[in-house]
Amino acid sequence: AQSVTQLDSHVSVSEGTPVLLRCNYSSSYSPSLFWYVQHPNKGLQLLLKYTSAATLVKGINGFEAEFKKSETSFHLTKPSAHMSDAAEYFCALYNQGGKLIFGQGTELSVKP
Amino acid sequence: DTEVTQTPKHLVMGMTNKKSLKCEQHMGHRAMYWYKQKAKKPPELMFVYSYEKLSINESVPSRFSPECPNSSLLNLHLHALQPEDSALYLCTHRRGDTQYFGPGTRLTVL
Repeated sequence: AQSVTQLDSHVSVSEGTPVLLRCNYSSSYSPSLFWYVQHPNKGLQLLLKYTSAATLVKGINGFEAEFKKSETSFHLTKPSAHMSDAAEYFCALYNQGGKLIFGQGTELSVKP
Repeated sequence: DTEVTQTPKHLVMGMTNKKSLKCEQHMGHRAMYWYKQKAKKPPELMFVYSYEKLSINESVPSRFSPECPNSSLLNLHLHALQPEDSALYLCTHRRGDTQYFGPGTRLTVL
């Protein structure tokens, strides 16, 4: 069975410091992986996706993620946090049955 | 452009009301989804339409009735809902393996 685990339910950083949101996955085949961001009372916005073309994936708003098959991880990073980055972040895996398998989400807080 | 529009943005209804949520996309993508999302939780899949046919129903109660009248439009008809059905309802369309989310409808059932 496929699954996604987000290792932190809440991460707090100071503005201008790096962001690391951790995601591990379980899949019997090389998956398509996604990071979505959700601001309060909004829909989910696609940040970036991995589909086997390159292991380091760059997304919008300065975010990037690295696919590490040996560690079954797809962690999301950003060099310098901005107040506007405060939101809920979801890691997800595409199931070949057409479904998205989501992690439980990580709430990112950014302190001034 | 991957835009999905959803109407209304907010909906308050009583348990005896009948209402509908609407989702629209003009990208020509033939897979469309309904999700329900509770606060601080990931979206939960409800229904999937592929080429205007219902392909997945995740054991959703019959008080939720989906409809896909054409390749651009997806409706969710609501009847006799319960307060626990209050949530954010999200629509997506899928291109390849990537789903694009609409802004959602915030539903409150009194």
